[in-house]
Amino acid sequence: EVQLVESGGGLVQPGGSLRLSCAASGFTFSNYWMYWVRQTPGKGLVWVSRINSDGTDTHLADSVKGRFTMSRDNAKNTLYLQMDSLRAEDTALYYCARSRAVGTYDALDIWGQGTMVTVSS
Amino acid sequence: EIVLTQSPGTLSLSPGERATLSCRASQSVTSSYLAWYQQKPGQAPRLLIYAAASRAAGIPDRFSGSGSGTDFTLTISRLEPEDFAMYYCHQYGSPPRTFGQGTKVEIK
Repeated sequence: EVQLVESGGGLVQPGGSLRLSCAASGFTFSNYWMYWVRQTPGKGLVWVSRINSDGTDTHLADSVKGRFTMSRDNAKNTLYLQMDSLRAEDTALYYCARSRAVGTYDALDIWGQGTMVTVSS
Repeated sequence: EIVLTQSPGTLSLSPGERATLSCRASQSVTSSYLAWYQQKPGQAPRLLIYAAASRAAGIPDRFSGSGSGTDFTLTISRLEPEDFAMYYCHQYGSPPRTFGQGTKVEIK
């Protein structure tokens, strides 16, 4: 079964750090670009970051640039999002998702169940 | 950044009826790279349509997408009970990729 499972969310104080993980199974992880998307009741779905197949190229939304780092370990079939200098506005449900097409950007066809990040003192 | 505006905000319909959801972009969407997702409470989004009109794997043919440029439509030909949910459009042709605010399809 094709699956993505996120972990690592939780409650953190403003200025703190968290590292999200996304474990992939059921497909050749190293062939696909991967994404992080977050969701809040107020702003809806918002793209956060993406990484290419071999991890050599990443793009981040302006709102998280300089604070978040996206990476992957293809040997472990795992995607990461290192989140530093967290702010209250980063509070959201974070999803990892897969690009539909192999080796390029596309619509997002596989999503994890999400991991909740709450930034609050 | 391309802003996607979905209408209506809420669509109240009965099972068996036809649903027509609209997504308007603030600029032309490159190569019709427009997708539609369904989301139910407590679940992740589910890809329905990509490239404006192509159904994703396993999606019933009562779901169809159309449009180009700045105007796109998702049509559900005959609503089934499991189709009552939130629907989001998403453009992925011009970075940053963006999502619409959603249309809720509710039971009348």
